[in-house]
Amino acid sequence: QQQVKQSPQSLIVQKGGISIINCAYENTAFDYFPWYQQFPGKGPALLIAIRPDVSEKKEGRFTISFNKSAKQFSLHIMDSQPGDSATYFCAARMDSSYKLIFGSGTRLLVRP
Amino acid sequence: ETGVTQSPTHLIKTRGQQVTLRCSSQSGHNTVSWYQQALGQGPQFIFQYYREEENGRGNFPPRFSGLQFPNYSSELNVNALELDDSALYLCASYRPNTEAFFGQGTRLTVV
Repeated sequence: QQQVKQSPQSLIVQKGGISIINCAYENTAFDYFPWYQQFPGKGPALLIAIRPDVSEKKEGRFTISFNKSAKQFSLHIMDSQPGDSATYFCAARMDSSYKLIFGSGTRLLVRP
Repeated sequence: ETGVTQSPTHLIKTRGQQVTLRCSSQSGHNTVSWYQQALGQGPQFIFQYYREEENGRGNFPPRFSGLQFPNYSSELNVNALELDDSALYLCASYRPNTEAFFGQGTRLTVV
């Protein structure tokens, strides 16, 4: 019930393409869903986050789509750039706790 | 730049030894969490401290312990190191109702 399942494990996209990463959760008590970007040798950095009362949130080239009934959410990276090549983690949290439950990560490679 | 600094950045220890990892947070960040990230995995929650008291713990044995100090710094201590403890250890700090800011991590190798 505490798991967050993330797919795909790795993703290769051409420059300018759309990168899509999917996550699913079981625990309906989760009410905050952030996405983190991690470069080698660095800690995770918050990219964008959503709460379940919203179905979509967009910040620049990054969009989260949220489907509460299906308990799924996804990250879309539009116009993907080589600088976006990193590992992306979805996560979930209950507002009553700061504890983040992370997915297993997706390694994104954007080819020039 | 997250304002969260961890030291050391890399560390090699021998099985059975003890290790202390340190984290320095921003002023006002009265909550700190520690995570273990094994190679190719997502971070796993170890424990959390709020105002110098532990107030949440993940599925880690008691040989993982911590401290939080009034100056917004904290420590993660691991006793009786095992080979499987080799991982990137991440510290995250928060002000109330704000996002987590992660440090760059400490890469621990147990040989």
